[in-house]
Amino acid sequence: LAKTTQPISMDSYEGQEVNITCSHNNIATNDYITWYQQFPSQGPRFIIQGYKTKVTNEVASLFIPADRKSSTLSLPRVSLSDTAVYYCLVGDPHGSGNTGKLIFGQGTTLQVKP
Amino acid sequence: GAVVSQHPSRVICKSGTSVKIECRSLDFQATTMFWYRQFPKKSLMLMATSNEGSKATYEQGVEKDKFLINHASLTLSTLTVTSAHPEDSSFYICSASPRVPPSVDGYTFGSGTRLTVV
Repeated sequence: LAKTTQPISMDSYEGQEVNITCSHNNIATNDYITWYQQFPSQGPRFIIQGYKTKVTNEVASLFIPADRKSSTLSLPRVSLSDTAVYYCLVGDPHGSGNTGKLIFGQGTTLQVKP
Repeated sequence: GAVVSQHPSRVICKSGTSVKIECRSLDFQATTMFWYRQFPKKSLMLMATSNEGSKATYEQGVEKDKFLINHASLTLSTLTVTSAHPEDSSFYICSASPRVPPSVDGYTFGSGTRLTVV
């Protein structure tokens, strides 16, 4: 899986939009970008996945520029319950060499304040 | 959706004893499951890949005799921490995917097991 780089931590306030950027300069042609969320003492939970341009679901949006060397997870109007660690992962879900292993980077700890 | 159940959620054991952690896929079959450990304020570290009906594949630096993995059925994988020591205290998490091969967006994680060795 391609290496990713994220900010270690971010602070925000309730009601604000939060954007977390992930760098993945060595992303391969067939790689997708996936974000997971982890609350304390729980396993990670899938948030969103994308390949290019923009993807939106009920939880978040994912913006991917044309060169795909970075991506931005956007959380609209965060609440205290969005305080968690957010992980960006890059990999080919369909490749013949897919071992299925998920290798997590350091993640971004988001602290939402009242 | 796919559900992975992990048991126990918390366990305290004495040094030198062994502890077994179970990971079950409740509504799908999983030929492959994964075990992670996580230290406080650190990221998840992949320990091993559990393969149904065959030996587990361990990541570099993980002692296979210390962390015994058994994947005897398509819905159950177990991790046994043998001769536990305080440094084995950690948060252990399993994951599985109903897709073959596993897809990076299709993983479901268990709720984790907090192991404390005293």
